[in-house]
Amino acid sequence: DIQMTQSPSSLSASVGDRVTITCRASQGISNYLAWFQQKPGKAPKSLIYAASSLQSGVPSKFSGSGSGTDFTLTISSLQPEDFATYYCQEYSTYPYTFGQGTKLEIK
Amino acid sequence: EVQLVESGGDLVQPGGSLRLSCAASGFTFSSYSLNWVRQAPGKGLEWVSYISSRGSTTYYADSVKGRFTISRDNAKNSLYLQMNSLRAEDTAVYYCARDLPLVYWGQGTLVAVSS
Repeated sequence: DIQMTQSPSSLSASVGDRVTITCRASQGISNYLAWFQQKPGKAPKSLIYAASSLQSGVPSKFSGSGSGTDFTLTISSLQPEDFATYYCQEYSTYPYTFGQGTKLEIK
Repeated sequence: EVQLVESGGDLVQPGGSLRLSCAASGFTFSSYSLNWVRQAPGKGLEWVSYISSRGSTTYYADSVKGRFTISRDNAKNSLYLQMNSLRAEDTAVYYCARDLPLVYWGQGTLVAVSS
């Protein structure tokens, strides 16, 4: 099975900051990588698919990059509504593993 | 508008069974694969199962293999998850989600396994 290692597990930042979250796959997954945002009590929301393609309706402050084993999610100009938990997921090969999540908190 | 609505979550005793349903609307149901994803209280997301558009291919996480069965009824636009031999560690909110990558998600249904 492919393991997805997400870092950091938590992150404190201020409104207006730019942050980067990293996701590393245990083997190459090409660009079959998605990023999700989840707020408490809500279903996850798709942000990025195919490593760098922005989901329709998602603001361009969110961007993804990477291919193979190393991927990043960057969020620029943080706003209060961006403080949430973020997950990566590989969809190259089942069992379609998620990263363990990154909780983004207000500093 | 794509909608996925889960139902069937409940409190069940260890060793018991439960069947979850996911009613879909707003898209051509028979054209898309579907998944179940779960989230234990305070924990991360865990992919559980996948079924192809026609139901001919299914995959399961090792943690549920042999106990859970995914199925679909394309005539009823519905997805199911039959859960048998439930364990305390199966306690979670269960989401259905369309296709891969997972773009559309339901709101989830809570399954609690406890005596």
